[in-house]
Amino acid sequence: QKEVEQDPGPLSVPEGAIVSLNCTYSNSAFQYFMWYRQYSRKGPELLMYTYSSGNKEDGRFTAQVDKSSKYISLFIRDSQPSDSATYLCAMRTGNQFYFGTGTSLTVIP
Amino acid sequence: KAGVTQTPRYLIKTRGQQVTLSCSPISGHRSVSWYQQTPGQGLQFLFEYFSETQRNKGNFPGRFSGRQFSNSRSEMNVSTLELGDSALYLCASSGTSGGDTQYFGPGTRLTVL
Repeated sequence: QKEVEQDPGPLSVPEGAIVSLNCTYSNSAFQYFMWYRQYSRKGPELLMYTYSSGNKEDGRFTAQVDKSSKYISLFIRDSQPSDSATYLCAMRTGNQFYFGTGTSLTVIP
Repeated sequence: KAGVTQTPRYLIKTRGQQVTLSCSPISGHRSVSWYQQTPGQGLQFLFEYFSETQRNKGNFPGRFSGRQFSNSRSEMNVSTLELGDSALYLCASSGTSGGDTQYFGPGTRLTVL
């Protein structure tokens, strides 16, 4: 079993839709949780990070962590074509980072 | 603050050659990690350097090696290139404080012919 599982998609939504991206994990030692956005042929860009259960909001993005269920989510409100990218979840314990394989998102104008 | 920089951005090599990639972390960051990214495997961890010492290592053959200099700049070397080494090689830097995260560079796209 992989440390971090992420649905690869692809996910295609109309502009303005609410998008939900999800990851599950098996290691209860994970303490920090991150979401990255990666455009084609570019490096990943940090979107959000959090270390506690609950919600963290930043503009149109909300990161949700449920440590009891070992589940994290990223919600994108009012999705835009510019949100079309691959989204990677990542988790950290100590000095080690673990990444999901990424979910490909396309927002159709 | 300047971001993570990687050079070169693109490389084309032939099988059997060797290659060296360079990464300059964000100023003040002492940890540099290297990843290989391919469409089928996603992000795979190669190794991490902290204060010139390799702190963690992924499951890659010995052909992949790295080092870090006293100014935190890091290099990654791949010897005896194989076709399967074609990938985007990403470098990420992070600080030392708890709760810190990784910031990625733009990557070096390596094509092995």
